[in-house]
Amino acid sequence: QVQLQQSGPGLVKPSQTLSLTCAISGDSVFSNTAGWNWIRQSPSRGLEWLGRTYYRSKWYHEYAVSVNSRITINPDTSKNQFSLQLNSVTPEDTAVYFCARDVSMRFDFWGQGTLVAVSS
Amino acid sequence: EIVLTQSPGTLSLSPGERATLSCRASQSVSSSYLAWYQRKPGQAPRLLIYGTSNRATGIPDRFSGSGSGTDFTLTISRLEPEDFAVYYCQQHGVLSREVTFGPGTKVEIK
Repeated sequence: QVQLQQSGPGLVKPSQTLSLTCAISGDSVFSNTAGWNWIRQSPSRGLEWLGRTYYRSKWYHEYAVSVNSRITINPDTSKNQFSLQLNSVTPEDTAVYFCARDVSMRFDFWGQGTLVAVSS
Repeated sequence: EIVLTQSPGTLSLSPGERATLSCRASQSVSSSYLAWYQRKPGQAPRLLIYGTSNRATGIPDRFSGSGSGTDFTLTISRLEPEDFAVYYCQQHGVLSREVTFGPGTKVEIK
């Protein structure tokens, strides 16, 4: 059974960088069939896919246009986990953030969610 | 970007009744990449249906999906108490490579 365990701070100051980590058990970040995603949900924006990283003989990254200039999703192969960095945050980035595994772009396993507030 | 619209916003039904939820796309969606999720308060979304009509592992057969092109439907044949939740559709654009979700339909106890 795949499990995803999220960690990271719940409060970030405006203009700073939001950083979250998702530890994978029951699968490998090197999987040739899975992708590793970050998704967020807020009352104003609903469920919003942010991006993914996946391995198909080499690493690929895909990001949503809405955050493309501010986001980085990276694998950490030594710890079998992946991370989210979102730069220059504003209060609009306040949301519950989820990591999720996809297989053929359906999200079958999710992390527990992390509420991140952007506030001074 | 493909925009997904769900209707109704809220569905008030009694246990045992049939629920029919609609998801409409702003342009044609590949049937292979249309999925439905259930979300309960304090929990992560749960995959119910993928590829328009395939039930995910462990999903009871009272849940079914159908549709094509721009119109898709999730049907719950007989509502159980644990089915009262918010349901989201989701698509993945084959060309755009972007993922979008609908705004959700809340199924509440009448």
